[in-house]
Parts: sequence; C-alpha cells; structure tokens
Amino acid sequence: AQSVTQLGSHVSVSEGALVLLRCNYSSSVPPYLFWYVQYPNQGLQLLLKYTTGATLVKGINGFEAEFKKSETSFHLTKPSAHMSDAAEYFCAVIRGLGGYQKVTFGTGTKLQVIP
Amino acid sequence: DAGVTQSPTHLIKTRGQQVTLRCSPKSGHDTVSWYQQALGQGPQFIFQYYEEEERQRGNFPDRFSGHQFPNYSSELNVNALLLGDSALYLCASSRNPTAEAFFGQGTRLTVV
Repeated sequence: AQSVTQLGSHVSVSEGALVLLRCNYSSSVPPYLFWYVQYPNQGLQLLLKYTTGATLVKGINGFEAEFKKSETSFHLTKPSAHMSDAAEYFCAVIRGLGGYQKVTFGTGTKLQVIP
Repeated sequence: DAGVTQSPTHLIKTRGQQVTLRCSPKSGHDTVSWYQQALGQGPQFIFQYYEEEERQRGNFPDRFSGHQFPNYSSELNVNALLLGDSALYLCASSRNPTAEAFFGQGTRLTVV
C-alpha cells in the first residue's frame, strides 16, 4: 500500500521568508512523487515531479523539492515567499500498476503569506 | 489548446437523484481519471479510463460509474446520491496511463 502524509494543514510565512511544506510517503516500491498547487475554486496544477534520476527537482514559480529515500520524504521549498504563492499544496505519490497509474494524494497544506 | 474542460461547473441535486458529470480531455490525451475532493480534503482517486475501459478503481462504491467515448471524452455517473457525495469532482487527462496528468477546473456538486 502507498500513502502520503503532509505535516501541517496550515502554514503561515512572511513575504520573502523561506517556504517549507513537508511530505512523507510510504510505498512498497520506488514511487513517483508529485507536488500540485490548487488556487481557490481551481483545479490542480503540477508544480514539479520526481520520477528517476536527480533527487533535487526544480519546478515552476521557484519551487523545488528533494527526494530523500532514507527519510521517505519529498519536502517542497521556496527560498522567498511571494503573495501569489498563497494556495493549497498537495503532495501525491503515483505508482504504476500493470501499466496504469494509482494515485494517492495527501490531505493538503494551505499556505498563507503574510505581507 | 482548451486544456481539460469539465461541465457543468456547479450542480445542485437532491438526495437519491442521479447525476452525470462530463469531461473533455486535453488535445492529444487518451486517458481520463476522475477524483473526488471533499471540502478540506485531498483528491481521492475514483477511477481511470483508457481505451474506453475502466483500468484502475479507487475505493468507491458501485454507485459511481463511468464511461469513455471514442473521442476520449468521459462521463462520471453517480446514482442514489447521498449528502456525503457533495464535493468537487476533478477530471484529469494524460497522454497515456502513466504520463503526467492535467486537471480541469472541476464540477462542484452539492447534494441537498
């Protein structure tokens, strides 16, 4: 079975401060890991993904995440928060089964950016 | 490119009724997945369609069914609606079953 745990349902940071959103996964096989962002009343937009290769992954809008197998983590970071980063962020683990995807999302972390 | 489009955007139904939600995938995509996102929760995988067949299914009862048409568009049907079915229903499409998924804006279903 696979699952995703996002620590902190709400995170507040000051504009210009470091953003750190935590994600831990459990999977019996090497997973594909994704971060999505959801703005109010919108669908999900892919921020970045880890499949294989380099463990530090850079995404859109200045976000990056590092896959740490030893810690089963895939935390999302951004050096300097911007007001436009206020949204809900979802970590997801995706595993192919017989050629088809099975996707499990975390419960999400709402990021508030304080001016 | 219109991206993934879903209709309707909002819907109100009465408990016990049936509902059909529609999804048109992004151009060039042949795989459609459906998710239920309850308020304050992450999306929950309902099922995935490829080549007009259901290929993967999450932990949802048989009241939830779907269909994929030859043009790759898809429908999600929910029978005997319960208050707990109120949620945002998201459709995602991809180039193939293991490729990156692109999400639509969702359909907000309210069951009263």
